[in-house]
Amino acid sequence: AQTVTQSQPEMSVQEAETVTLSCTYDTSESDYYLFWYKQPPSRQMILVIRQEAYKQQNATENRFSVNFQKAAKSFSLKISDSQLGDAAMYFCAYRSAEVSGNTPLVFGKGTRLSVIA
Amino acid sequence: DAGVIQSPRHEVTEMGQEVTLRCKPISGHNSLFWYRQTMMRGLELLIYFNNNVPIDDSGMPEDRFSAKMPNASFSTLKIQPSEPRDSAVYFCASTTDWNTEAFFGQGTRLTVV
Repeated sequence: AQTVTQSQPEMSVQEAETVTLSCTYDTSESDYYLFWYKQPPSRQMILVIRQEAYKQQNATENRFSVNFQKAAKSFSLKISDSQLGDAAMYFCAYRSAEVSGNTPLVFGKGTRLSVIA
Repeated sequence: DAGVIQSPRHEVTEMGQEVTLRCKPISGHNSLFWYRQTMMRGLELLIYFNNNVPIDDSGMPEDRFSAKMPNASFSTLKIQPSEPRDSAVYFCASTTDWNTEAFFGQGTRLTVV
């Protein structure tokens, strides 16, 4: 079974600075997807960014980018120019692409990010 | 699109009572997932359905938990009898064959007293 580990329960960053959230995963598969979801106090789960394992190029969405290291099974999220609205719980998630049919996401325990004005 | 709709948003019930959580997936989505979120265990998969058929219910904690998906637009998660340790936020999510991510509802916060 796949597992996802987020080793930083809490992080903080100054407004306008850059912060990196860590995620590692364990799998024997070669084809999969990785995600970062954001959960603000509203509780809504919001997709921040996704990465297909077969793509070597790191995904980028505006101020959010990832560092995907497939061999190391590492998938970190970098938030640039941090804003107060970035304060939330961030979850790293894995989804298999090798099993036929849709498969569920496996989540890490999350990292709570605080943004300091 | 209205997104995944869960009801109720909040539920407070007494220990021993039956609780039913409801979920309407996004129209056209053929997979539905039930997750439970707690501080201690994070987001755990309880059960998921593909094309209304339960595929994996190994995450359902006990026989007190049951889930159904009678049609493509509706699913329920039932707890009978409820216990205080069932207190958590329960999420429903859906997806389809051409999506990579899952789309989540707003969750139901269940408190069992």
